[in-house]
Amino acid sequence: QQQVKQSPQSLIVQKGGISIINCAYENTAFDYFPWYQQFPGKGPALLIAIRPDVSEKKEGRFTISFNKSAKQFSLHIMDSQPGDSATYFCAASKGTGGFKTIFGAGTRLFVKA
Amino acid sequence: DTGVSQDPRHKITKRGQNVTFRCDPISEHNRLYWYRQTLGQGPEFLTYFQNEAQLEKSRLLSDRFSAERPKGSFSTLEIQRTEQGDSAMYLCASTQRGQPEKLFFGSGTQLSVL
Repeated sequence: QQQVKQSPQSLIVQKGGISIINCAYENTAFDYFPWYQQFPGKGPALLIAIRPDVSEKKEGRFTISFNKSAKQFSLHIMDSQPGDSATYFCAASKGTGGFKTIFGAGTRLFVKA
Repeated sequence: DTGVSQDPRHKITKRGQNVTFRCDPISEHNRLYWYRQTLGQGPEFLTYFQNEAQLEKSRLLSDRFSAERPKGSFSTLEIQRTEQGDSAMYLCASTQRGQPEKLFFGSGTQLSVL
């Protein structure tokens, strides 16, 4: 079964701290692993993504770490800010499946000022 | 171009009524996806179109659900004989040719079935 498992469900971090969200997948055919950010009342927005041929990708304060052998990947938010407070979804898709994206259940992040 | 547009933003209906939602994708995006999101969960895939062709439907999409994308532009999602379990956020997303993996979502239609 195609499935993406995400943890934790919720996370509280102090301003300036590091937020870490983890994700595990089952289907080794997945070849694209994005993270989406969603604010209340809005649709998810692509934040950062990685392909399995690299182990890490960094964009500004956001970093994805990817462990292909463990079938796990994680999102690190450095210097977390109150404006980062949102729900984060890991996801996975494969080109042969029309890039039908499978989402995790989400992590609600709250950054305390 | 202002992104993916969905209408209405909110819909309240009584059980048994039919409802229709509209999605206008980003212009020239060739693929259009429908997802459903319930409270505390991630979006679940329902169906997708490449241009006007509906290429895949999820098992979540019962016979009461139908989607169209005439002329490969806007899309409609109709739910017939709504049930309370249909209450959810219905999200539309589109992707551009050459980058089919990058979903651009609209703000969704929140459906409440009373």
